[in-house]
Parts: sequence; structure tokens; C-alpha cells
Amino acid sequence: GAGVSQSPSNKVTEKGKDVELRCDPISGHTALYWYRQSLGQGLEFLIYFQGNSAPDKSGLPSDRFSAERTGGSVSTLTIQRTQQEDSAVYLCASSLSVGQGTYEQYFGPGTRLTVT
Amino acid sequence: DAKTTQPNSMESNEEEPVHLPCNHSTISGTDYIHWYRQLPSQGPEYVIHGLTSNVNNRMASLAIAEDRKSSTLILHRATLRDAAVYYCILRKTGANNLFFGTGTRLTVIP
Repeated sequence: GAGVSQSPSNKVTEKGKDVELRCDPISGHTALYWYRQSLGQGLEFLIYFQGNSAPDKSGLPSDRFSAERTGGSVSTLTIQRTQQEDSAVYLCASSLSVGQGTYEQYFGPGTRLTVT
Repeated sequence: DAKTTQPNSMESNEEEPVHLPCNHSTISGTDYIHWYRQLPSQGPEYVIHGLTSNVNNRMASLAIAEDRKSSTLILHRATLRDAAVYYCILRKTGANNLFFGTGTRLTVIP
């Protein structure tokens, strides 16, 4: 079946511009996560959506970062006034919720963001 | 969140078993032990998870110490495709978030 998809796969933007990154989770997965991975580093948790509950935004590094999840499916991560330190691979993952008894997260291929 | 400690890198010969260690001395009773791996230029993929008992699946085995302060991921027969960064992660019961460390980079030698 279809996995998690992300678009675009690569994005180059100028410092100060806003960018939007999109994630399509696996159909039926109620939990959706955003992570970022800087070059040579491990993954850094950003934000987590679970069903209709308020998202866990505890990992967002600054107020320039925000995310939405519309209709419980597609999610958009927005970075305003991009800075060079925002350059990274942004990864999206989805999973069934805790209540449905499985915790495996399925990751997309990521969006490589380069801020020049 | 409880921390995990893994070696930065390991090497294995192809078709040999590989034992990837993880220390988690501050683990709490409600923490699950998860392993994910990340192949080059890909997102991470789930490998296995467990709580107290050893676990086996088609990809690997997870051996958990009796005191739960350490665990070992076992790949029974390494292939070139198993070359990846392996992450050992603790996840609290009821929490979905995963906090990745820097993992162990496994190199498989033909």
C-alpha cells in the first residue's frame, strides 16, 4: 500500500523567505509527527498530532515554525523568515494511535531544505 | 526522557551475526525499548520493540537484560543492505513521541 509521502523532495530558498512542506500520512493513521535532521545528526522531534487533540508543539525550535493538520490527514509544516540554520531534512511520520495498540512509526522520504 | 548510550560505529562481516548494544541505565518501568534504523538517504524504519521479554521478528531479535538497563539488537546474518544507522530509543507508555540519539553506524564488509 501507499506509504507516507512528502513534497517537495528538495527545496532551495533564500534567507528570509517563508516555506511550506507537505506530508501525506498513511490512510487511517491518526497520529502524525514532524522531525528534522541536520547534516550528520540524529532526528530532532518537532511536533506531534493525535486525532482531534491539541498538537504537542514542545519540539518546535522557535515561533517561526508552525504546523497544521487539516481534516485529520494532510499536514503542512510552515517555516517563516527562514534562516540558514533551518537547513536540514524534514521528516514526517505517521502511526496508528496508542489506543489502537501499535506504536510503529512509518517515515516518509523527507524534504531536504536548503536556505541560501 | 531517559537516555540511551550506543557505540558510534561498528563493523561486521557479511553473513556474520551482529550484536548492537544499547545502555539505558535510567530506564523506568513503563519505558518501552524501540529500535529503528536509517538506511542512507532514507527516512528511519522500525526494526523491533520490547518491554521486558526478548522479542523476535523477521528482521531481528531484541535481547533485554533482566534488570532492563541494557539491551542488544541482534541481526542474525548481516547483509550489505543492513548497513545503516541503528537507533535505540526509549518510549514512555502512552506516549507516541520518539527521541532519537545519534545511533550506531553499522558498516557491513563484503
